[in-house]
Amino acid sequence: GQQLNQSPQSMFIQEGEDVSMNCTSSSIFNTWLWYKQDPGEGPVLLIALYKAGELTSNGRLTAQFGITRKDSFLNISASIPSDVGIYFCAGPRQNRDDKIIFGKGTRLHILP
Amino acid sequence: DAGVTQSPTHLIKTRGQQVTLRCSPKSGHDTVSWYQQALGQGPQFIFQYYEEEERQRGNFPDRFSGHQFPNYSSELNVNALLLGDSALYLCASSFGTSGANVLTFGAGSRLTVL
Repeated sequence: GQQLNQSPQSMFIQEGEDVSMNCTSSSIFNTWLWYKQDPGEGPVLLIALYKAGELTSNGRLTAQFGITRKDSFLNISASIPSDVGIYFCAGPRQNRDDKIIFGKGTRLHILP
Repeated sequence: DAGVTQSPTHLIKTRGQQVTLRCSPKSGHDTVSWYQQALGQGPQFIFQYYEEEERQRGNFPDRFSGHQFPNYSSELNVNALLLGDSALYLCASSFGTSGANVLTFGAGSRLTVL
């Protein structure tokens, strides 16, 4: 079935560093969503992208909708301890089947 | 304004048993989707309910069934539990069924099957 491939699977960074992660698919998406999940919680929407090429920011987070519509990127600037968690890309498929599917996530760890 | 609430938060069952999980959507939302999240994985779509009917279904066996009530709340039922059903079950609500609509998730119900 259709998959969203996220990379890297996990990241270990120092506080203050910038972070980049991406999500790719073999199929076209018309909406890209980035969620974050903290331990013991459900995913929370960070950024939603609706147009190819769109670049959207939410505080220190910036996400882009790839021109090919098959990828998306999420960047976090000047990471802080509360950025620790799992970041998921997600989206509904292009066709009438509107269920939202998720990638396997990128796990962000911040070293002390 | 309460968000999505799920109950119970944790439960333990044995193989072959049946379980019912409950979800109250965010105020103003009329659509409920259920996801299964195994340890270390992303959420996997189970099904979506709108107007008290199952509108879409993921790749899950018939042991997984659901219901939506007139007040938009929903239940997920799993029969003949298997060890592999152990997971975090997430309920998400939205307004309308479009995939472009934002999902609001609850904290989940963690099911352990022994």
